[in-house]
Amino acid sequence: QKEVEQNSGPLSVPEGAIASLNCTYSDRVSQSFFWYRQYSGKSPELIMSIYSNGDKEDGRFTAQLNKASQYVSLLIRDSQPSDSATYLCAVNKMNTGNQFYFGTGTSLTVIP
Amino acid sequence: NAGVTQTPKFQVLKTGQSMTLQCAQDMNHNSMYWYRQDPGMGLRLIYYSASEGTTDKGEVPNGYNVSRLNKREFSLRLESAAPSQTSVYFCASSEPGQGGDGYGYTFGSGTRLTVV
Repeated sequence: QKEVEQNSGPLSVPEGAIASLNCTYSDRVSQSFFWYRQYSGKSPELIMSIYSNGDKEDGRFTAQLNKASQYVSLLIRDSQPSDSATYLCAVNKMNTGNQFYFGTGTSLTVIP
Repeated sequence: NAGVTQTPKFQVLKTGQSMTLQCAQDMNHNSMYWYRQDPGMGLRLIYYSASEGTTDKGEVPNGYNVSRLNKREFSLRLESAAPSQTSVYFCASSEPGQGGDGYGYTFGSGTRLTVV
């Protein structure tokens, strides 16, 4: 079983809509959860982190964590064409030297 | 600009050749990492260094060696390149988490390696 699983997509949403990206993880001792955005041919860039159950909002982005269900999601409100990218979910576990386990990513296309 | 610098950006090797990928960070981070990214496989950890003077294997260490030269620099060496090592390689750095909470990585721009 993979540590982190994501639907590879592609996910297409119209401009201005809400994009919902989902991620599940297998190990209950996972401590911290991150979302990265990766444009084609570029390196991943951190957009959100979340450590506690519930929602965390940052501008148009909201991360949601449910540790009981081992589920983390990212909502992008008012989606823009510039949000078109691959979104990577990452988790880390305590006492692993801050090793991250990455999902394979979900490709998002925002249609103008 | 502060960040993680990787060199080279592109490289083509013949099977059996060796090379070293260089990585340096200027954020005074303690931890550094080498990942490879392959289509459909995601990012996989090759080696990491939790702090200066220490290195540990990750998920896919075979065929690679690393050196943590000092706090800033962490290099990845391919001793005898194989076509299976064709990939995009990313170096990253972070601060280790406190109380179990991790800190996000800052990635370098990547090295696109082709082994023929």
